[in-house]
Formats: sequence, structure tokens, C-alpha cells
Amino acid sequence: DTGVSQDPRHKITKRGQNVTFRCDPISEHNRLYWYRQTLGQGPEFLTYFQNEAQLEKSRLLSDRFSAERPKGSFSTLEIQRTEQGDSAMYLCASSELRVEAFFGQGTRLTVV
Amino acid sequence: GEDVEQSLFLSVREGDSSVINCTYTDSSSTYLYWYKQEPGAGLQLLTYIFSNMDMKQDQRLTVLLNKKDKHLSLRIADTQTGDSAIYFCAETSGTGNQFYFGTGTSLTVIP
Repeated sequence: DTGVSQDPRHKITKRGQNVTFRCDPISEHNRLYWYRQTLGQGPEFLTYFQNEAQLEKSRLLSDRFSAERPKGSFSTLEIQRTEQGDSAMYLCASSELRVEAFFGQGTRLTVV
Repeated sequence: GEDVEQSLFLSVREGDSSVINCTYTDSSSTYLYWYKQEPGAGLQLLTYIFSNMDMKQDQRLTVLLNKKDKHLSLRIADTQTGDSAIYFCAETSGTGNQFYFGTGTSLTVIP
């Protein structure tokens, strides 16, 4: 499978716990994006990497959120001290050029 | 470029054509996109159109772009039950590094 892979697919956590999600982009794609999607809404931009450099961050990305892409390949998104409002689908996408972005299946986070 | 609007619901009969509409705000968007999302799944890129084009056809899909009115539409010919999904239009930011999505149109195809 050469698509964008996200792990885990589902995560249930207690409020206050930390969670980390992983995204493996399509190989050789130098651009990687994280989005968040809540029920009934379209995806909202969180952050963007070009290779290992994090070039853009949304104001939605509070200081409890951190994303890394240490070697310019896979990326992780960590949420510290989770809150119920963090419950959402977290989507990762990658692209080689700006034109076509391919999305993974997402990680559904439920904070109880 | 953060206000992308779509109607929420559309129902069509199998075999008919579906037309999903979208209005966007950022006239500097270079590309405009249509994505499909099935329940519990990620987004699948259906097609995109370059901003200097008026129309793009790809098999059963036809995209029309009216730059003056900032209006984008997706026509699906001979709609099938497998086309039932949520369809999102998206535009890119001025930097091209962000995609702004609409709220999605839920298409229901009635057999």
C-alpha cells in the first residue's frame, strides 16, 4: 500500500492524558499536512511541513499541541493534557507538489 | 480564503445527474478541488481545476468554474449508489500551503 498511513485508527483516552499520533506520508512526498475534522464540519488546517521544517501553524494549534517531522519522512502529532474538545478526527495528508494532496484514513480521537 | 460555502444536503435518484455547488472567497486561489469522503474514512481527491480554466471533464465528473462569481460546481453524470458520500470543495491559501474546505455536501442517491 503506497497511500498515506495513519496510526492508530482509533484512540480513546481519559481527559488529561497525553496522546501521540503517527503519519507516514507517501514516500518521496516532501509536503505533509495535519488537519482536524469535527463532526459535520470540513477539515481545518493545523500545520504544514516541507521536509523537516514546520512552515505554517494554525491558531487552532494551541500550546498543548506539538507536531514533528524529524527526518522529513514520518510525522507525529502530540496532544498534551487532552480535553473533551479535542475529540475529533485527525487527518494527515501529503503531496509532492502543491497541486494534489492525498489524505490518510485519519485517527479518530475520543476524550472521555 | 477561509469562507468556503456549500449546501448541506442533496438527494438524487440513481441514474440522474447530481450538481454540487460551492462558493469560495479567495480570488488568488490557484487551484480548486473536490474531495469525496465516505463514512468513517479519509478524504479522496476526485478532481481539481486550475484557476485559469472554465471547465474540466473527467469521465462522469464535470467541474465548472466561474471566477467572476467565485462559484465552483461538480456535476456527476449517471449518479450511482456508490456515489453516496460527503463532497467537499476546497481552495488553497495564497501561499498554497493550506487547503480551506467547505462544510461538505451530503449526497444521497436513491435507488
